[in-house]
Amino acid sequence: DGGITQSPKYLFRKEGQNVTLSCEQNLNHDAMYWYRQDPGQGLRLIYYSQIVNDFQKGDIAEGYSVSREKKESFPLTVTSAQKNPTAFYLCASSTRGATNEKLFFGSGTQLSVL
Amino acid sequence: AQSVTQPDIHITVSEGASLELRCNYSYGATPYLFWYVQSPGQGLQLLLKYFSGDTLVQGIKGFEAEFKRSQSSFNLRKPSVHWSDAAEYFCAVGSHNYGQNFVFGPGTRLSVLP
Repeated sequence: DGGITQSPKYLFRKEGQNVTLSCEQNLNHDAMYWYRQDPGQGLRLIYYSQIVNDFQKGDIAEGYSVSREKKESFPLTVTSAQKNPTAFYLCASSTRGATNEKLFFGSGTQLSVL
Repeated sequence: AQSVTQPDIHITVSEGASLELRCNYSYGATPYLFWYVQSPGQGLQLLLKYFSGDTLVQGIKGFEAEFKRSQSSFNLRKPSVHWSDAAEYFCAVGSHNYGQNFVFGPGTRLSVLP
């Protein structure tokens, strides 16, 4: 079955540590996104990529980094510079990256700080 | 810039009752409009979308939504709610302008009483 796989489901970060969240898709989609979800705030865009080896900052990119070396993969690193990383992180993809397209979502990663 | 408001943070209805979830948007032209549903700890799933044409759109799981330009609204409705409809619902707006991204509302949590 085609879809988006996020791992791990739960992740814990220690002070000063960088952690990486995995996102893989087998939908052959060009565009991939990372969203952060906090209670009562909806989804906020962290980074997005519309093509391999290219990505753009979203609304809340500070303290995060990404790479897009393969079409299928769009990992997100939460760096130590992100002072409030506890949140639910959602990866999504769409066919071309246009905003009249349906977004396909993974099942999310809950990141907590130890 | 576009924005989305969902005035109701939490709604509780009895099983079998009708449902209306409100969504208001701010955008200079006719936007692309979406409703997504999220079960706890999961990603989002598209319920329906509006791009143009008939202002009443049908979606999955018996949901429908009506676009009202004069009220800048895109309210989601269901005539008879099932217990499995308990979830969080997000309204989202897409821009016609290339390079801009989706904007999500803060969400409405739906509880269903037996």
